[in-house]
Amino acid sequence: AQKVTQAQTEISVVEKEDVTLDCVYETRDTTYYLFWYKQPPSGELVFLIRRNSFDEQNEISGRYSWNFQKSTSSFNFTITASQVVDSAVYFCALSEYGGATNKLIFGTGTLLAVQP
Amino acid sequence: EPEVTQTPSHQVTQMGQEVILRCVPISNHLYFYWYRQILGQKVEFLVSFYNNEISEKSEIFDDQFSVERPDGSNFTLKIRSTKLEDSAMYFCASSPPFGAADEKLFFGSGTQLSVL
Repeated sequence: AQKVTQAQTEISVVEKEDVTLDCVYETRDTTYYLFWYKQPPSGELVFLIRRNSFDEQNEISGRYSWNFQKSTSSFNFTITASQVVDSAVYFCALSEYGGATNKLIFGTGTLLAVQP
Repeated sequence: EPEVTQTPSHQVTQMGQEVILRCVPISNHLYFYWYRQILGQKVEFLVSFYNNEISEKSEIFDDQFSVERPDGSNFTLKIRSTKLEDSAMYFCASSPPFGAADEKLFFGSGTQLSVL
């Protein structure tokens, strides 16, 4: 069965600190996608990144970076120099590759609070 | 960027009443989904829809729920007889064909359903 675990329920940092959000997944599939979504206080789900299981290169986008390690089934997300606008719930999600549907299995989310 | 549109943004109903949540997916997408998020909890898959039929559904999606694509643009979720525990944020999503460069779920802003 597929499962996504985000062990950190809440994290509080002060602005400009770096913060890493952890994500560990379980799947029997050899090919799959991993995602991160951001849910700000307004409630919508904002797509951040998709990574397929063949691509273990780390990715950087501005202040955001992602570390995908298949050996530990982890897909961690780091925000560098955090800002108040980064305050949100962050969800990690998993989907099987090439399945009948693009169904996402979400983790329970990590609430990030960035204090000024 | 194209958007998934959901209406209404808030819906209040009495227990036992029928509700219809409406969504307009992105026009060239082929796969459609409903997810829900009970307050403070993770986002959960309800159902996926492709080629005018349900392709997958979760245990949550019981006989009280139905989905329909009545015309070429709308995608609806109907709850026949609402219960208190149906109170949640309901997200509609759509995705392009598999293999598309932007293959991911695009989520709407959600409909907050409150059952009294």
